[in-house]
Amino acid sequence: DVKVTQSSRYLVKRTGEKVFLECVQDMDHENMFWYRQDPGLGLRLIYFSYDVKMKEKGDIPEGYSVSREKKERFSLILESASTNQTSMYLCASRPGRAPFSGNTIYFGEGSWLTVV
Amino acid sequence: GNSVTQMEGPVTLSEEAFLTINCTYTATGYPSLFWYVQYPGEGLQLLLKATKADDKGSNKGFEATYRKETTSFHLEKGSVQVSDSAVYFCALLPYNTDKLIFGTGTRLQVFP
Repeated sequence: DVKVTQSSRYLVKRTGEKVFLECVQDMDHENMFWYRQDPGLGLRLIYFSYDVKMKEKGDIPEGYSVSREKKERFSLILESASTNQTSMYLCASRPGRAPFSGNTIYFGEGSWLTVV
Repeated sequence: GNSVTQMEGPVTLSEEAFLTINCTYTATGYPSLFWYVQYPGEGLQLLLKATKADDKGSNKGFEATYRKETTSFHLEKGSVQVSDSAVYFCALLPYNTDKLIFGTGTRLQVFP
């Protein structure tokens, strides 16, 4: 089975702190993603990566950065956390390259971040 | 642009009732369509998918048919169980892109 592991399930951070959310996948997938999930808004894509050291902005990249130094690991960084970044963060991975028709995305269990 | 619209919840049903969760989409070209399910406290799991018009995806008693003429991918189940209580997300993957676009999710609550 594909496994996408997010290192922290629940975090509480203070405004202005630098926050790292880590994600590891064990299936040698090329593509990795970070989403945030908010009630009434569904999932929104923050950043994604096609390969090591490559990254692309998603729909809501402001206030976030990412790092992919190794193929299996994709980190989301909040440089200076703010209360409006309180949310559920979901990491995902998927094999293959374009065209992507039908390729399944696998999600981690999510990280609940509260910024106070 | 590309978008997904799904019915607002919560949907509240008694056990063994028939379920429909509506999903319509807007897309150029030939997208793939997905239903994901999120059980309480967990991440998203793929429930079913369809990659071309008239395909029917099915899994665990759930079905959805890719209808290009009505741009719809409605989720159905003939007899729901309490264990089906979850949030269901319809999603679209435009052809030759890597950006999965989600609907806002529909919460299903099934009571005994």
